[in-house]
Amino acid sequence: EAGVAQSPRYKIIEKRQSVAFWCNPISGHATLYWYQQILGQGPKLLIQFQNNGVVDDSQLPKDRFSAERLKGVDSTLKIQPAKLEDSAVYLCASSSLRQGAHEQFFGPGTRLTVL
Amino acid sequence: KQEVTQIPAALSVPEGENLVLNCSFTDSAIYNLQWFRQDPGKGLTSLLLIQSSQREQTSGRLNASLDKSSGRSTLYIAASQPGDSATYLCAGEETSGSRLTFGEGTQLTVNP
Repeated sequence: EAGVAQSPRYKIIEKRQSVAFWCNPISGHATLYWYQQILGQGPKLLIQFQNNGVVDDSQLPKDRFSAERLKGVDSTLKIQPAKLEDSAVYLCASSSLRQGAHEQFFGPGTRLTVL
Repeated sequence: KQEVTQIPAALSVPEGENLVLNCSFTDSAIYNLQWFRQDPGKGLTSLLLIQSSQREQTSGRLNASLDKSSGRSTLYIAASQPGDSATYLCAGEETSGSRLTFGEGTQLTVNP
């Protein structure tokens, strides 16, 4: 079974530029999550999708961050404009209900550096 | 609001030692708890998931327990190996399929 795929793996931009990340979840996983992990901290949820609908975006900075999941499969996360404090690893995860639990599986992440 | 704390922040042990990593959470209404491993520059690898109706899970040399009443979970690693060196993160789920709230992790180094 193929894992969660993310691209690009690394991105360096200047502040005020825009950037987009892509995620392809595990086949058949209806739930998709985007997390932000700042160096030395645990990941923090930005947004959660169930199929193509948003379930939780309470911690998403909506003035600059946006995300979509067209057709309930792939997802993109965009930052526009980027700030220095957005430097972090952006992790995508997916899950499905199996044996009574939603075990989350993570992709390799995209490391963003904002200069 | 759920908060997760992991102690210690870093741990260095000689190869072969048995060790325990601790995780505590503020809200006992936690649903499921998941332990992950993160290697430098990599994503998270799921190690064990303890469902709300369970008290522990085992996989190979790893054993994780969950005590909701005390707000604690422990990850036990038997006969540690240098390949176990990584950051270990615990995360709690408030309802089935909801976000995970993570601790800051324990950075483990196993010395040959």
